Amino acid sequence: DAKTTQPNSMESNEEEPVHLPCNHSTISGTDYIHWYRQLPSQGPEYVIHGLTSNVNNRMASLAIAEDRKSSTLILHRATLRDAAVYYCILRDRNYGQNFVFGPGTRLSVLP
Amino acid sequence: DADVTQTPRNRITKTGKRIMLECSQTKGHDRMYWYRQDPGLGLRLIYYSFDVKDINKGEISDGYSVSRQAQAKFSLSLESAIPNQTALYFCATSDPRTRNGYTFGSGTRLTVV
Repeated sequence: DAKTTQPNSMESNEEEPVHLPCNHSTISGTDYIHWYRQLPSQGPEYVIHGLTSNVNNRMASLAIAEDRKSSTLILHRATLRDAAVYYCILRDRNYGQNFVFGPGTRLSVLP
Repeated sequence: DADVTQTPRNRITKTGKRIMLECSQTKGHDRMYWYRQDPGLGLRLIYYSFDVKDINKGEISDGYSVSRQAQAKFSLSLESAIPNQTALYFCATSDPRTRNGYTFGSGTRLTVV
């Protein structure tokens, strides 16, 4: 089961760091952890993904726990444009290793 | 032009009508997907296709059918629309050889009255 658990919503102030947590206790040793986000009125877009080591890109950082049962997406300086629903995703072996999207975390950014 | 284009963007149809949602892509990806989004439920996979000759059911395929007319085109049909198929529908593509994940279209908002 490719299930992840995320808080329903979080709030941040503009220009402050945001840490979005995700639990994935049933993750297998070869599963990558993927993060997508969905801005209002748009389709989801890729943010970052990783396997074991922490990962950085221009959008965010991904911190993965040593036991890989949890991870945290880090936005270093939230902007108003980062207000979105953030999805932490594993692939589902039941459906061709495709993505299963849970409800995600709705991030609000306050000016 | 968008990499993944969905048409129409919005559609209102009556119960019992047949409707087709279309998706085309310029990414050159072999893999294409149809997802449905309902408020508070995230996205659920309806059908997926790994190439032109490959069609697979997803989590919620009942009431839907698909056609992969070409590598770049993947259509979703509702043979007889019902009100609980009112939702936001997304098409996506992917290339397993890259790390860029999925590319989604902007969605089709379908209302069945």
